[in-house]
Amino acid sequence: AQKVTQAQTEISVVEKEDVTLDCVYETRDTTYYLFWYKQPPSGELVFLIRRNSFDEQNEISGRYSWNFQKSTSSFNFTITASQVVDSAVYFCALRTPSGYALNFGKGTSLLVTP
Amino acid sequence: NAGVTQTPKFQVLKTGQSMTLQCAQDMNHEYMSWYRQDPGMGLRLIHYSVGAGITDQGEVPNGYNVSRSTTEDFPLRLLSAAPSQTSVYFCASSRTRSDEQFFGPGTRLTVL
Repeated sequence: AQKVTQAQTEISVVEKEDVTLDCVYETRDTTYYLFWYKQPPSGELVFLIRRNSFDEQNEISGRYSWNFQKSTSSFNFTITASQVVDSAVYFCALRTPSGYALNFGKGTSLLVTP
Repeated sequence: NAGVTQTPKFQVLKTGQSMTLQCAQDMNHEYMSWYRQDPGMGLRLIHYSVGAGITDQGEVPNGYNVSRSTTEDFPLRLLSAAPSQTSVYFCASSRTRSDEQFFGPGTRLTVL
């Protein structure tokens, strides 16, 4: 069975602070894909990143970075120098070749205050 | 490309009424899915399709029907609406099983 756990329900930071959102996954498949999505207050779901299980390189995109560690089954997301526009709910998700859709975590609500 | 479109954006139903939520994509994606989002629950899969004419149940299929007569369209039917179906519904599509899914803007449904 596939499962994604986002233990942090809500996080509140002050602008310019760094913040890390945790994601732990479970799967028996050796090939799988991990994703992060952002859901701003307007409600749409915005794709951020896709990572396959064979690529453990960390990725950086501007202020965003992702740390994928198979040894701990984690795919954590860090926002550096957070901004008010980063306020959103962030979802981690897992997809496997044997599955047909995404398994989502319950999301972490991030509030960045000025 | 319009991407994934959903109509309507908002809908209020009375218990027992039926309706269809529309979803269309113009990216020629084979895989399409319907999710519902409830507070504190994340997104849960209702039904999915791996191509025209092929559909299957997800995690929470009861009370919903789907069909896929064309690659582009994947409507979700509520047969007899219940208050427990009050939720935000998202349609999504992807090119393959391993690709990211692209989501529509969502339909906020309230059942009284």
